[in-house]
Amino acid sequence: KQEVTQIPAALSVPEGENLVLNCSFTDSAIYNLQWFRQDPGKGLTSLLLIQSSQREQTSGRLNASLDKSSGRSTLYIAASQPGDSATYLCAVIGYNFNKFYFGSGTKLNVKP
Amino acid sequence: GAGVSQTPSNKVTEKGKYVELRCDPISGHTALYWYRQSLGQGPEFLIYFQGTGAADDSGLPNDRFFAVRPEGSVSTLKIQRTERGDSAVYLCASSPGGRGSTDTQYFGPGTRLTVL
Repeated sequence: KQEVTQIPAALSVPEGENLVLNCSFTDSAIYNLQWFRQDPGKGLTSLLLIQSSQREQTSGRLNASLDKSSGRSTLYIAASQPGDSATYLCAVIGYNFNKFYFGSGTKLNVKP
Repeated sequence: GAGVSQTPSNKVTEKGKYVELRCDPISGHTALYWYRQSLGQGPEFLIYFQGTGAADDSGLPNDRFFAVRPEGSVSTLKIQRTERGDSAVYLCASSPGGRGSTDTQYFGPGTRLTVL
């Protein structure tokens, strides 16, 4: 069974810092990987989707990379802002396309 | 446009009672997913519908859990004889395509179920 791990579980940084969130998965036979943001009491918002054939995706201040062979992905956030405070979840989907396997998330707090 | 909606937003029930949780997907989305999220954890897959049929129900924890999507749109997750361990946030997601699709999943705000 696919296992997804996210490190660190929580992170607190001052505003303006660049930061990296890590995600690892045990089965490299993935179809794609997504990074989501979850705000308290809210659903999940998709941030970036990386197909298994891709190495990275960028959206604004966010950059996600994928190394499928080593089972790792990173989410890089540049010039962090207090509005970035949320829980960030990594999820992979296999070739059965039926379900996402989620990590437990990294809870980010950006201090003004 | 409207996103995925879920009702109720909160549900408090007593142990042993029956509950129904409703999901309204984005109009036209053929794929619908239910997940369960416990405190401090990521969502865990429960069941996936493609149209009206349950294409994968391997995540349902036991036979107290059942879900339907009779007309290929709205879905209802049904839990019988609720237990305290069923307390969690139940998330619904939909996507435009289905098997083989590269579409992302769009999530609803969830229903927080508390079993006393």
